[in-house]
Amino acid sequence: DGGITQSPKYLFRKEGQNVTLSCEQNLNHDAMYWYRQDPGQGLRLIYYSQIVNDFQKGDIAEGYSVSREKKESFPLTVTSAQKNPTAFYLCASSILQGDQPQHFGDGTRLSIL
Amino acid sequence: GENVEQHPSTLSVQEGDSAVIKCTYSDSASNYFPWYKQELGKGPQLIIDIRSNVGEKKDQRIAVTLNKTAKHFSLHITETQPEDSAVYFCAASIAGGTSYGKLTFGQGTILTVHP
Repeated sequence: DGGITQSPKYLFRKEGQNVTLSCEQNLNHDAMYWYRQDPGQGLRLIYYSQIVNDFQKGDIAEGYSVSREKKESFPLTVTSAQKNPTAFYLCASSILQGDQPQHFGDGTRLSIL
Repeated sequence: GENVEQHPSTLSVQEGDSAVIKCTYSDSASNYFPWYKQELGKGPQLIIDIRSNVGEKKDQRIAVTLNKTAKHFSLHITETQPEDSAVYFCAASIAGGTSYGKLTFGQGTILTVHP
């Protein structure tokens, strides 16, 4: 079955460390997105990528970085510059550039030790 | 930028009753309004969407209505079942053209259906 795989499901980080969240899709979708979800809030866009080797900042990109070297992969790095990284991170994809996110992964919950 | 307000934040109904969740948006240029259902520990799942050229859309027990003049849209679930219990999110965006598919989400509604 096609879908989006996020790993790991739970991730713990010590303060001052960078950590990378994995997102892989086998849907052959062009566009991929990263959202952050905090309790009682809607999802907020961190970064998005419409095509390979191209990505753009979303609303809350500070303290995060991404890469898009392959169509199926869009990893997110949470750097030590992100002051409040504890959250639920969701990866999404859509078939075409400029389309709306159609599929979401099951998320990675990041916690600070 | 776009701002989406969603109400209520929690909704409790008896099995078989109807549930209505309402959202308002601020940007009159928004033309795409999806609704997502999120179960515990899972990612959101698109359940229905509506574009600004229609006023209502139905899919079995769920329906969405859109009032462009008032800039609000609503999700209606009829004959609710316990498995409808989840968090529901509305969103708004400008679809098409050079849009990059940015969605602005509401804050979410926790729906609980009691057997």
